[in-house]
Amino acid sequence: DQQVKQNSPSLSVQEGRISILNCDYTNSMFDYFLWYKKYPAEGPTFLISISSIKDKNEDGRFTVFLNKSAKHLSLHIVPSQPGDSAVYFCALQRGGSQGNLIFGKGTKLSVKP
Amino acid sequence: DTAVSQTPKYLVTQMGNDKSIKCEQNLGHDTMYWYKQDSKKFLKIMFSYNNKELIINETVPNRFSPKSPDKAHLNLHINSLELGDSAVYFCASSQDSLGQFPYEQFFGPGTRLTVL
Repeated sequence: DQQVKQNSPSLSVQEGRISILNCDYTNSMFDYFLWYKKYPAEGPTFLISISSIKDKNEDGRFTVFLNKSAKHLSLHIVPSQPGDSAVYFCALQRGGSQGNLIFGKGTKLSVKP
Repeated sequence: DTAVSQTPKYLVTQMGNDKSIKCEQNLGHDTMYWYKQDSKKFLKIMFSYNNKELIINETVPNRFSPKSPDKAHLNLHINSLELGDSAVYFCASSQDSLGQFPYEQFFGPGTRLTVL
């Protein structure tokens, strides 16, 4: 039973354009929403997060949007760069749960020069 | 300096064997985790552990056991390996500070386990 869904397994974008990665979740009990980035043969690395009381968080080229009513999370990367090519995981965290993350299946982003 | 390291990177073994994967973090964190990424690419929590509490995901077979000799290490022991245990196992750590959610977790590079 998937609590976190990333329905697009892959996404291809031209360098300089916007990349939009989407994530849907089923349970409203989560307090924090995170994005991780993963290169081949490496572990995931933290990218950006948002708490459930906010609807937007921005960090440089990366912006995360949260729509709680729709149970939908998105990551915008603008402008996209070839170095952004990686697998992006959406992850949810519940307060008081010792930090356990519930991950989506990931979306592989390819940014073409 | 590697923040979270795992050994070995690759592990190939026969069914029925017992094996261990080691994890070390030099970040001074007090909570460590083990995740499993299966063939369908889902990353799932197996254990989380700090010096106070071990939390086990109830779906993890008791053939899997975490062992923490000290705060910087959380090793994963697996007994009687089965074909379905083949996966990539990731160790992670975070600073468990109350009121400072979200807990950013730092991951190791992963150990690819293949059971033949």
